[in-house]
Amino acid sequence: RKEVEQDPGPFNVPEGATVAFNCTYSNSASQSFFWYRQDCRKEPKLLMSVYSSGNEDGRFTAQLNRASQYISLLIRDSKLSDSATYLCVVNPPQGGKLIFGQGTELSVKP
Amino acid sequence: DAGITQSPRHKVTETGTPVTLRCHQTENHRYMYWYRQDPGHGLRLIHYSYGVKDTDKGEVSDGYSVSRSKTEDFLLTLESATSSQTSVYFCATNWRERGGQETQYFGPGTRLLVL
Repeated sequence: RKEVEQDPGPFNVPEGATVAFNCTYSNSASQSFFWYRQDCRKEPKLLMSVYSSGNEDGRFTAQLNRASQYISLLIRDSKLSDSATYLCVVNPPQGGKLIFGQGTELSVKP
Repeated sequence: DAGITQSPRHKVTETGTPVTLRCHQTENHRYMYWYRQDPGHGLRLIHYSYGVKDTDKGEVSDGYSVSRSKTEDFLLTLESATSSQTSVYFCATNWRERGGQETQYFGPGTRLLVL
């Protein structure tokens, strides 16, 4: 089993749609969690951290379910500019190195 | 912004030649990382450094070496490039995001083609 697993997609959605990505992780003692965004041929950039209580940043909502070991990202009112690959990232208990999922590709169409 | 630059940004080389990629940071971060990214594999850690002259292997370190003689510079060397090392290489540093959690900030990447 991979340490961090994501549905690779692609997710093809119309503008204005709501889309959700899930990610599962294998190490229950993992410390912190993040969603990164990566545009084609660019570097990954931090989108948002994922806190135990859940957190929201504009149209983006991230949630953590420690009991089930999954993380989710919800994007409301999708924009064309949201088209990218979204990486689920986990900080394992020993720290120092992050574990990256393979990414979920999102394509928002007019 | 963690002030990371990578050089060169693009390189074409031939099999068997040595190649050195440079990562430079201006924020005095202790940890630096080298990743490669390939379709179907995502980001894979090659080597990382936790201080000057302190380095350790990642999951795909074979065929690569690193050096860190100054805090700001982390060099990745392919001793004898092979076609399987054609990839996009990203450097990263540790970075504390606004919520206080430790994560990583990435450089712009180097695209390497080995013919």
